[in-house]
Amino acid sequence: AAGVIQSPRHLIKEKRETATLKCYPIPRHDTVYWYQQGPGQDPQFLISFYEKMQSDKGSIPDRFSAQQFSDYHSELNMSSLELGDSALYFCASSSTLGQGENTGELFFGEGSRLTVL
Amino acid sequence: AQTVTQSQPEMSVQEAETVTLSCTYDTSESDYYLFWYKQPPSRQMILVIRQEAYKQQNATENRFSVNFQKAAKSFSLKISDSQLGDAAMYFCAYRRYNNDMRFGAGTRLTVKP
Repeated sequence: AAGVIQSPRHLIKEKRETATLKCYPIPRHDTVYWYQQGPGQDPQFLISFYEKMQSDKGSIPDRFSAQQFSDYHSELNMSSLELGDSALYFCASSSTLGQGENTGELFFGEGSRLTVL
Repeated sequence: AQTVTQSQPEMSVQEAETVTLSCTYDTSESDYYLFWYKQPPSRQMILVIRQEAYKQQNATENRFSVNFQKAAKSFSLKISDSQLGDAAMYFCAYRRYNNDMRFGAGTRLTVKP
């Protein structure tokens, strides 16, 4: 079965540079979530999109922005990178509860590891 | 405020033995989902087991089972016949319908041969 695809898997940037992460959700999933997991920490919710519209916002820095495109893929843009942005960034997708074979589960990609030097 | 609390940062179990990981959560909702995710060194998030709050019956998946106490807002994970491959970080997670998922701080499980 198709899974959530994230790219790139690894990314190395310098301070103050910009990075873009991409996420391709499972086909027919209408909601995308972005999470940030620092070393030794639990995943922290950043932002979510439902049907290409931002649906909820968590602890996303103002330097970060995201969007979901017409083909449902999503991109997380991070500017003015700081050392503290080094983390594993997960994208997850789901279908809206009450529709189809919804189990409440979020399906996670393998993550994009960002290192800021 | 933390929605999900895992009070055991680390746990250890002997191979083939049973171990229970604790989780409590805070919510005023009546309908929600609870999950246990496993994160091995590869850091991929792997679903272990899920529980729907409206179901009284505890979920089971092979060697994994939960003890769901809705009134106490407790959701513990029992791993029976522990295997070396069970060694990982385990996250308890809570999700309201159609909302984001919130995680506990995690419990690192070590399995001793």
